Amino acid sequence: EVQLEQSGAEVKEPGESLKISCKGSGFSFSTHWIGWVRQTPGKGLEYMGIIYPRDSTSRYSPSFQGQVTFSADKSISSVYLQWQSLKASDTATYYCVRRLFDSNNFPYFDLWGQGTLVTVSS
Amino acid sequence: SYELSQPPSVSVSPGQTASITCSGDKLENKHVSWYQQRPGQSPVLVMYQTIKRPSGIPERFSGSNSVNTATLTISGTQSIDEADYYCQVWDTNTYVFGPGTTVTVL
Repeated sequence: EVQLEQSGAEVKEPGESLKISCKGSGFSFSTHWIGWVRQTPGKGLEYMGIIYPRDSTSRYSPSFQGQVTFSADKSISSVYLQWQSLKASDTATYYCVRRLFDSNNFPYFDLWGQGTLVTVSS
Repeated sequence: SYELSQPPSVSVSPGQTASITCSGDKLENKHVSWYQQRPGQSPVLVMYQTIKRPSGIPERFSGSNSVNTATLTISGTQSIDEADYYCQVWDTNTYVFGPGTTVTVL
């Protein structure tokens, strides 16, 4: 089965670090770009950026540049999203997504993980 | 930055047609994707390249695009179609999502 499986929910305090994971199966993981999307009740769905697991090339949305770090381990078909110092405003559900291109070379997200809820509260 | 707008909610009776709109400047020049998110679940792609249905998505889902508005149409709406629907485009090296429309089947 083609799927993206994410790590479980996290509860952290402000200032703590965190790394969540996304593991792909059923497809050639290292040759697909994998993105991250944040969902909050107030701001809806927001694109954070994307990583190519084969060589870990990463591209960050300007809103998230410097705030998070992407990494990958192609040997275990996994990508990671990391924070050095969490803030309460990082409270959200985070989805990993697989990016494909249509016949006119426009990108879209055809596969979503189940989401990881991150709660940051003192 | 590019922005998309959607109506907050749409109500439809079972078996009737639901039309969900997504508006943006010169949207006809872009390829629109649509995602369905049922309560407590992650989003699922239901339309891409504006008019194409992924494998496994029922034929009652269709898409169209005209000038500044894209439309996702659900014909013969069923109770399982009750969900939030988000449109999305790619613009200037980023991915823009609409705010979402809640479809209620009553």
